[in-house]
Amino acid sequence: NAGVTQTPKFRVLKTGQSMTLLCAQDMNHEYMYWYRQDPGMGLRLIHYSVGEGTTAKGEVPDGYNVSRLKKQNFLLGLESAAPSQTSVYFCASRTGRGETQYFGPGTRLLVL
Amino acid sequence: GENVEQHPSTLSVQEGDSAVIKCTYSDSASNYFPWYKQELGKRPQLIIDIRSNVGEKKDQRIAVTLNKTAKHFSLHITETQPEDSAVYFCAAGLFYDMRFGAGTRLTVKP
Repeated sequence: NAGVTQTPKFRVLKTGQSMTLLCAQDMNHEYMYWYRQDPGMGLRLIHYSVGEGTTAKGEVPDGYNVSRLKKQNFLLGLESAAPSQTSVYFCASRTGRGETQYFGPGTRLLVL
Repeated sequence: GENVEQHPSTLSVQEGDSAVIKCTYSDSASNYFPWYKQELGKRPQLIIDIRSNVGEKKDQRIAVTLNKTAKHFSLHITETQPEDSAVYFCAAGLFYDMRFGAGTRLTVKP
């Protein structure tokens, strides 16, 4: 039981490049989330999903897209990376009934 | 949407003392209030949570109190130890849409 995993762990992009961050969970959780964490600002919700095939915008969705084609995976895409998207990205998941949220280890993204 | 404010941003205590971190929230519909501990370079981990129908919850040295009328909740850590040093985040909202405070860096001096 790996819990919540994220790939890659670290990535450097040039402005304008695109990439996809993968989040996977093996706990059969319904709800999945993408957050970004910047110094002194806590965690901010980018997008979330309440089930396979569904997605919704969070607090800071601009510049990001997501997909939840399989229940266990939640993908975060950056179509045209900007330096303002330099951050640590955390994925999280929780059950539909329970409320404990489990976080992945994070992906550190640097956009030059 | 929900807005969460957390105070203080930094807190330094002597080992064995108590530490209190406070959060306020804006949306009266919020019904779930978790607290997370994050060590340097690690993921946030849930340490305690409280739901809107409960006023207080305790787990060993950690307790959380909730005042729904005033829209604030607090984390209390007693008998602090050096390993309690970390950044603590509060959050508030509905379980599918949580907003986080900016964090409190707690330092416990031996």
